[in-house]
Amino acid sequence: KAGVTQTPRYLIKTRGQQVTLSCSPISGHRSVSWYQQTPGQGLQFLFEYFSETQRNKGNFPGRFSGRQFSNSRSEMNVSTLELGDSALYLCASSLGTGLTDTQYFGPGTRLTVL
Amino acid sequence: QKEVEQNSGPLSVPEGAIASLNCTYSDRGSQSFFWYRQYSGKSPELIMSIYSNGDKEDGRFTAQLNKASQYVSLLIRDSQPSDSATYLCACSGGSNYKLTFGKGTLLTVNP
Repeated sequence: KAGVTQTPRYLIKTRGQQVTLSCSPISGHRSVSWYQQTPGQGLQFLFEYFSETQRNKGNFPGRFSGRQFSNSRSEMNVSTLELGDSALYLCASSLGTGLTDTQYFGPGTRLTVL
Repeated sequence: QKEVEQNSGPLSVPEGAIASLNCTYSDRGSQSFFWYRQYSGKSPELIMSIYSNGDKEDGRFTAQLNKASQYVSLLIRDSQPSDSATYLCACSGGSNYKLTFGKGTLLTVNP
């Protein structure tokens, strides 16, 4: 089975721009979660989508948004980029049907904001 | 208040020794506990999951869970230089599906 894929792998943007990141989950997985990883804050939860609905949300400003499509693929959008948004953005997929589900991570998208 | 706490390390052990990694969590409703390994520049990779009190062994790895003490640990036996990485403890369950991570412990295994 193919793993979680994320595109693009690297992005360089300037302040004020917006960016869209994409995630394709493992086949059969219906839940996609997004995380931001920075050296100072570690891995922080952004949001989780299941069956095209946002089921959980972390403590990030409204500039961070996402969506999920009927094929479970998900996109994450960050508008009005700030320097502090530079981070590794990881998505993880799981079956999403139980609280004990294991999440499997994609390779991540490295975003640099100049 | 931090929800999942780990000693940031670095933890340095000689090759062949046992490495012991520890984690405490604050949400008593947590039901699932995971250890992920993350090499520098890579994404987290699942090593172990544990859901009930006690020990769970998988090869050189043993996860231990004590829900009364809200404590999770990972033992790595016969440590190898290839085990050198950051180990992330994560919890989920309770009231939602999100994973809450500790900041990770950097392990270095010296040849």
